Amino acid sequence: GENVEQHPSTLSVQEGDSAVIKCTYSDSASNYFPWYKQELGKGPQLIIDIRSNVGEKKDQRIAVTLNKTAKHFSLHITETQPEDSAVYFCAASMGWREQAGTALIFGKGTTLSVSS
Amino acid sequence: DTGVSQNPRHKITKRGQNVTFRCDPISEHNRLYWYRQTLGQGPEFLTYFQNEAQLEKSRLLSDRFSAERPKGSFSTLEIQRTEQGDSAMYLCASSLSLQTYEQYFGPGTRLTVT
Repeated sequence: GENVEQHPSTLSVQEGDSAVIKCTYSDSASNYFPWYKQELGKGPQLIIDIRSNVGEKKDQRIAVTLNKTAKHFSLHITETQPEDSAVYFCAASMGWREQAGTALIFGKGTTLSVSS
Repeated sequence: DTGVSQNPRHKITKRGQNVTFRCDPISEHNRLYWYRQTLGQGPEFLTYFQNEAQLEKSRLLSDRFSAERPKGSFSTLEIQRTEQGDSAMYLCASSLSLQTYEQYFGPGTRLTVT
């Protein structure tokens, strides 16, 4: 079935460094790829997303890149800050299931720790 | 716009009991999704509503689970005869329409079955 693989599972960086999280998806019909940040005890928060007709998108310190041919997409966070510490999830839309709207398949998450 | 709200935030129940959760989506969002998240995992899709119509159900949604969205506004998720394996965070998300893909999640309901 459809699958989203996410790496690494944990990532520790120093404040000010960059962090990169990578995901691979299996469903070639997926056309929407959001990233969520989840803090302890809270629901996932949408931080950035990209559609399949775009290769890169940037919003201040965060950026997402998409390689449709390789079915890879990545999250880049620059100038990390302690408040960036959280669990980050990538997701891909269930493209082949039209009736599912834009229901998402999630990766297993990356725990990012930013130390000051 | 107060965001997606879910109630209760926490629920502890004994095995075999029935539980019901409520989700209030962002106003005017006609799409509503339920997901389940277990510890250390990403959310898993359960079911999807467009207005009041339930259009898709995951294989994860056993016969003990039922969801409704009367009048296309709030939604309820009921679990009958709860089992310990039902312990999880139940998340609700909403999105505006077919043309907008962004899904906004609520804070979730944490279910513990003892």
